[in-house]
Amino acid sequence: GAVVSQHPSWVICKSGTSVKIECRSLDFQATTMFWYRQFPKQSLMLMATSNEGSKATYEQGVEKDKFLINHASLTLSTLTVTSAHPEDSSFYICSVPGSYNEQFFGPGTRLTVL
Amino acid sequence: AQSVTQPDIHITVSEGASLELRCNYSYGATPYLFWYVQSPGQGLQLLLKYFSGDTLVQGIKGFEAEFKRSQSSFNLRKPSVHWSDAAEYFCAVGGIGGNEKLTFGTGTRLTIIP
Repeated sequence: GAVVSQHPSWVICKSGTSVKIECRSLDFQATTMFWYRQFPKQSLMLMATSNEGSKATYEQGVEKDKFLINHASLTLSTLTVTSAHPEDSSFYICSVPGSYNEQFFGPGTRLTVL
Repeated sequence: AQSVTQPDIHITVSEGASLELRCNYSYGATPYLFWYVQSPGQGLQLLLKYFSGDTLVQGIKGFEAEFKRSQSSFNLRKPSVHWSDAAEYFCAVGGIGGNEKLTFGTGTRLTIIP
């Protein structure tokens, strides 16, 4: 399966600042990547589908102006949390779909907003 | 709309004992079904997937799952658990189109006692 990396693995920022999270598909070209958010002891919540060469598709209730997604190439998608607030603190995970719609996940990024 | 139900939030099993984690799904067409495992602070790892053919599928780490269409179930089993199996387990369902979203269950936390 695809090998997916995320950077950074952990970030702490002050309220009001913006944070960029990178998701890279290391061995697989991905026209689509997915971004999830996970609160402690909860399941994954799909935030958006990142599409190479076009705009991301956001799930209902996700603010597209707050969570900016850019699929810059077939191996890189970025999620920028703009004007972060403490309620944005969470675990953010990206994934790359495989041949049978299985998804290969990155290791996640823990965001803490002070 | 598709959905996944994992009725057991938390299961405790003795090391060496057998394990069965339940998963029921709702999907309007032929589903693709998946089981993932997540260790604390980590991304998700694919254990196994079902997309067609034999309804009993084998996965990594000695896990298997059985697809029962009549019961809309895809239960995960392991004949003898190891302490390293302690983790969170997620069942997911998706469609057969390309790059489709997955819907995840709420997860089952597995604790192993000596």
